[in-house]
Amino acid sequence: GQQLNQSPQSMFIQEGEDVSMNCTSSSIFNTWLWYKQDPGEGPVLLIALYKAGELTSNGRLTAQFGITRKDSFLNISASIPSDVGIYFCAGQPGGSQGNLIFGKGTKLSVKP
Amino acid sequence: EAQVTQNPRYLITVTGKKLTVTCSQNMNHEYMSWYRQDPGLGLRQIYYSMNVEVTDKGDVPEGYKVSRKEKRNFPLILESPSPNQTSLYFCASSWVGRGNTEAFFGQGTRLTVV
Repeated sequence: GQQLNQSPQSMFIQEGEDVSMNCTSSSIFNTWLWYKQDPGEGPVLLIALYKAGELTSNGRLTAQFGITRKDSFLNISASIPSDVGIYFCAGQPGGSQGNLIFGKGTKLSVKP
Repeated sequence: EAQVTQNPRYLITVTGKKLTVTCSQNMNHEYMSWYRQDPGLGLRQIYYSMNVEVTDKGDVPEGYKVSRKEKRNFPLILESPSPNQTSLYFCASSWVGRGNTEAFFGQGTRLTVV
């Protein structure tokens, strides 16, 4: 099936640093979503993107829907310890309804 | 409060003993799905349902069954669990269509099959 390539797999950063992660696909997606998963919990939606080129912010988080519709990135500015977790990208392939494809996640560790 | 509720949160069972993990959502979503999460493999879809009485296989359906008799409920059934089904399971729901595909997840069910 279709796959999303999410990178990096893991990041170890200092508190206060900015973070960037991205997802790429070989095919076009209609929607890009970014989720965060805290230990022992289900993924929680951070940002949803529905239009190519769209740039959306949610507090310190900013995400963009790539103009080619085959990629998306998530930036976190001025990281804090509670940003620790696994971040997943997810995309809805063109022509599908409801089905989401997930990346394998980026595990973020923040050192105080 | 809008939510997806899974039960149980934790389950240890023996090989071959049938079990059901329940999932219920209160948002009137048409679309519901089950995922399993394994280290290094991310979230893989097991089964999904576009609406009542409409279900279809995801990427890893072997060994699982589902049913969708009511809009709010989407139970996952393991008729004869095996150790390779030890995993963290998530139920999710969303509206259908391009207008809104945001999936809401339950808190997860950690299943161990011995």
